[in-house]
Amino acid sequence: KQEVTQIPAALSVPEGENLVLNCSFTDSAIYNLQWFRQDPGKGLTSLLLIQSSQREQTSGRLNASLDKSSGRSTLYIAASQPGDSATYLCAVGPGNTGKLIFGQGTTLQVKP
Amino acid sequence: DVEVTQSSRYLVKRTGEKVFLECVQDMDHENMFWYRQDPGLGLRLIYFSYDVKMKEKGDIPEGYSVSREKKERFSLILESASTNQTSMYLCASSLSDRPRLSNFGPGTRLLVL
Repeated sequence: KQEVTQIPAALSVPEGENLVLNCSFTDSAIYNLQWFRQDPGKGLTSLLLIQSSQREQTSGRLNASLDKSSGRSTLYIAASQPGDSATYLCAVGPGNTGKLIFGQGTTLQVKP
Repeated sequence: DVEVTQSSRYLVKRTGEKVFLECVQDMDHENMFWYRQDPGLGLRLIYFSYDVKMKEKGDIPEGYSVSREKKERFSLILESASTNQTSMYLCASSLSDRPRLSNFGPGTRLLVL
């Protein structure tokens, strides 16, 4: 059974710092992997999607990488800002149905 | 704007009531999903649908049913609400073709008393 783990559960950094959020999964046979952002009490906003054949995706200050063989993905946030404070969720698509298996998330606080 | 909308942001119901949660998407997506999110348990899939009138159970379907009569609308039904169904409910949709990016609605926070 696929399991997705995100470490750390919480992270606090000063503004301007570059940071890396980690996601690991137990079964390397994935279809895709998505990173989401969730603000308190709100829905999920999709940040980046990496297909199983890709190694990374970039959007603005965000870069997500995927290493299927080691069962790992990282989300790199450059020059963090207080507005980046949120919970970041990693989700693995185990097949082509669109279903997702989520990690527990990393709650990020960026201090001014 | 393309989006997924949910009928209520907050809902308070009594134990034993029949509860309907509605989700509508305007992106002509084939796939639609219902998840619930609980502290310490994360997001878990309840049901999903890959076509009109089609449905499949997710990981935690007990106590729930769904309806998809039109492509744009996917309803989650709590036949007899119980306190352990107090949760945040999130609807999502995606295309059936690559890349199958999932778009989520704003969520419905349900409290069952």
